[in-house]
Amino acid sequence: DTGVSQNPRHKITKRGQNVTFRCDPISEHNRLYWYRQTLGQGPEFLTYFQNEAQLEKSRLLSDRFSAERPKGSFSTLEIQRTEQGDSAMYLCASSSPSSSGRVTDTQYFGPGTRLTVL
Amino acid sequence: SQQGEEDPQALSIQEGENATMNCSYKTSINNLQWYRQNSGRGLVHLILIRSNEREKHSGRLRVTLDTSKKSSSLLITASRAADTASYFCATDRGSGGSNYKLTFGKGTLLTVNP
Repeated sequence: DTGVSQNPRHKITKRGQNVTFRCDPISEHNRLYWYRQTLGQGPEFLTYFQNEAQLEKSRLLSDRFSAERPKGSFSTLEIQRTEQGDSAMYLCASSSPSSSGRVTDTQYFGPGTRLTVL
Repeated sequence: SQQGEEDPQALSIQEGENATMNCSYKTSINNLQWYRQNSGRGLVHLILIRSNEREKHSGRLRVTLDTSKKSSSLLITASRAADTASYFCATDRGSGGSNYKLTFGKGTLLTVNP
């Protein structure tokens, strides 16, 4: 299976600790996205990479959050000094641009990392 | 703010019946997509409909789009217990806005009883 993979699938941490999640996109996809989903809500956009460049960050992404995609392949999302409000499912998605380059291309999601902050 | 809003929030039907879910949005779009999410798992892409399309089919799925009303519907025919999941519509921001950032609604929880 060459879909999007995320690790770890579950993470339990204590408030104040740092956590890092990894996303491996579909190999030929140059676009990578992070979303956050809380219980009973739809996913909310956090950030977007095209190759290694981070092109947009949501206001939801406070200074405690940082994302990288150093070689334009896998990406990491780090949360420093975690708070209970950070508890959520963190979803990664990837896509490749459509031939026209203008319309949205289909985003393929990974299984997510569920974070619980105690 | 929510771009897509699904309706109803929850739907319970018997196996074999059809299920219809609706989505309304506020701004212009390039595309609208429907995703399925089984409990506690990632999202599975179902279908994408472009703003210049009115109807699209994929297997037991039928999606319609009415850009004048800023609404879409997803019809699942001959439902199965395995269709039990949450269904989300997702829109991009259309002209003048980003064409990659998806905005999701809260979803419709579909339960198909055997």
